[in-house]
Parts: sequence; C-alpha cells; structure tokens
Amino acid sequence: AQSVTQLDSHVSVSEGTPVLLRCNYSSSYSPSLFWYVQHPNKGLQLLLKYTSAATLVKGINGFEAEFKKSETSFHLTKPSAHMSDAAEYFCVVSGVEDSNYQLIWGAGTKLIIKP
Amino acid sequence: GAVVSQHPSWVICKSGTSVKIECRSLDFQATTMFWYRQFPKQSLMLMATSNEGSKATYEQGVEKDKFLINHASLTLSTLTVTSAHPEDSSFYICSARPNSYEQYFGPGTRLTVT
Repeated sequence: AQSVTQLDSHVSVSEGTPVLLRCNYSSSYSPSLFWYVQHPNKGLQLLLKYTSAATLVKGINGFEAEFKKSETSFHLTKPSAHMSDAAEYFCVVSGVEDSNYQLIWGAGTKLIIKP
Repeated sequence: GAVVSQHPSWVICKSGTSVKIECRSLDFQATTMFWYRQFPKQSLMLMATSNEGSKATYEQGVEKDKFLINHASLTLSTLTVTSAHPEDSSFYICSARPNSYEQYFGPGTRLTVT
C-alpha cells in the first residue's frame, strides 16, 4: 500500500528566507509524486511532479523538489519566500497499484510567511 | 490545455433538498473522473471514482445512495447530494484524468446546507 506523510502541519518563515516543506512516502513501486498548492478559497494548482526522470524537479514560482529514493523523501524547497507563497501545500503520490491512478494525499502543510 | 470546470462554484440549499454539481473537462476527454470532499483546514478525501459508462466506485464510508454520481460522457460527470443535511456542507472538488496518470482539478464547489 502507498502512503504519504507530511511531517509538518504548519511551517512559518520570514519573507526572503528559504522554505522547506517535508514529505515522506511509502510505495512498493516506483512512484509518481506531486506537490499541489491551494490558496485560500482557490482551486488546486500543480506545482511540480516527479515521474521517474530527473530526481531534481523544478516547478512553478521558483519551487523545486528532490526525489530521494534512499530516504523515501520528496521535500519541497524554495530559496526565498514571498508573501504570495502563503497557502496550503499537499504532497501527493500516484497510486500506480491502481489502474485508475488514484492519488494518495498528504495531510497538508500550511505555509505562513512573516513580513 | 487540460481545463476542468465545476458548476456551480458555490451553492446554498435548505436541509432536505438535493443539489447537483457538474464537473466538465473542457478540452480533453476524461477516461476517469474523481470526486473529493475537503473539510475546512483538512486534506482532500476521495469520495468516489467513476469511469465513463460505468457505475462509480465509492470509497469506504461514502454513502452511494446519498452521493449519486453519473459519468454519462467523456467530458461530464455529476455529483448529486440527495436529501442534504448541514453535515454535508463542505468543499467538493472534482478531477478528471485523460488517458494518462495525471489528474486535472476543478476549482471546487462550496456547498452550504442550512
């Protein structure tokens, strides 16, 4: 069975400082991994995805994530936080064991940006 | 490309009435559509998976007679909340999957039952 654990429910950083949102996964197969962002009262937006190509994945808005198989991690980073980054972030693994490719969702991490 | 719309974006209904939410893939054909529910400050909970022309597969604990899903075409799925009650108030999100692994999400529908 596959699962996703987001290690922090809240992360608070100052504007201009680095962001690290942690995600660990469990999968029997080579997983596809995603990070989604959800701004208040807005729809979900795909930030980036890993699909067994390059282990360092670059996404939108300056975010990137590194797939580390040995650590079963897929942490999301950004060098310099911006006020507009304040949102809820979800780490997601694709259920490749299921032909419908169901998504397995992490609990989410709320990113708070301090001015 | 890969745009999914939902209608309505928000709806208020009285307890005991039914409400229908539409999910459309605007520029692709969706082999599979998913319906999620999201409570405030929580993650998404998968309610059901539907393949075009087939009955939906509901997740454990989701009442299929209460949440009716119809996936009549490759671009349209509907979720009908029957005999709605205040505890059904939530944010409902659909996603659509073309013939690949990636899902594309609608903007969500906020349902408030009074």
